[in-house]
Amino acid sequence: QSVLTQPPSASGTPGQRVTISCSGSSSNIGRDSVNWYQQVPGKAPRLLIYTTNRRPSGVPDRFSGSKSGTSASLDIYGLQSEDEADYYCVAWDAGLNGYVFGSGTALIVV
Amino acid sequence: EVQLVQSGGGLVQPGGSLRLSCAASEFIVSNYWMHWVRQVPGKGPVWVSRINKDGRRIDHADSVKGRFSTSRDNAKNMLYLQMNSLKVEDTAIYYCVRDFVGAEDHWGQGTLVTVSS
Repeated sequence: QSVLTQPPSASGTPGQRVTISCSGSSSNIGRDSVNWYQQVPGKAPRLLIYTTNRRPSGVPDRFSGSKSGTSASLDIYGLQSEDEADYYCVAWDAGLNGYVFGSGTALIVV
Repeated sequence: EVQLVQSGGGLVQPGGSLRLSCAASEFIVSNYWMHWVRQVPGKGPVWVSRINKDGRRIDHADSVKGRFSTSRDNAKNMLYLQMNSLKVEDTAIYYCVRDFVGAEDHWGQGTLVTVSS
């Protein structure tokens, strides 16, 4: 069972906005920043968002991150078929003294 | 092109040992924290360990603490993961990662470790 909880799946149509949530606790999201990865089958995860709301070079500004209290969200605007992938949130957990991943959300673009 | 080239995976019996290597090219590994992350195929990633720039600060996940050891050789631009007392549940693809969750996050190609009798 993951320390960070995400919905198992999400879906949207091309052009829509989709939001993926990540729920944690005071020992992780509540006290530290959140990061988001995208992973397509057979590939290594790709960092989309770090330090809650910053994008690495090359990541489109359609991807946006935020957090409030012990929860975080990843927003994807202008959904595209290539966004179909698994998404994971990650945060440092002070109680475990390590990084913890979310349970993952499979995004389907219908 | 920045690359992390991994080696050392394979099949090992429960209780056995294996050392994973990660060779960095086109960047200086001593400038970064380096991490190991593993993933069972079809499951989510799991953070394994991290080592700071000079190798003096090392953290491991509870699931591998006391069995796995992370080290680096900055002169050789290499990162290592020594895995001892391996268990069936350690079976996974192991990735070395530069600057995990940082602006210069970069992953190796992954290497499969299978623990089975």
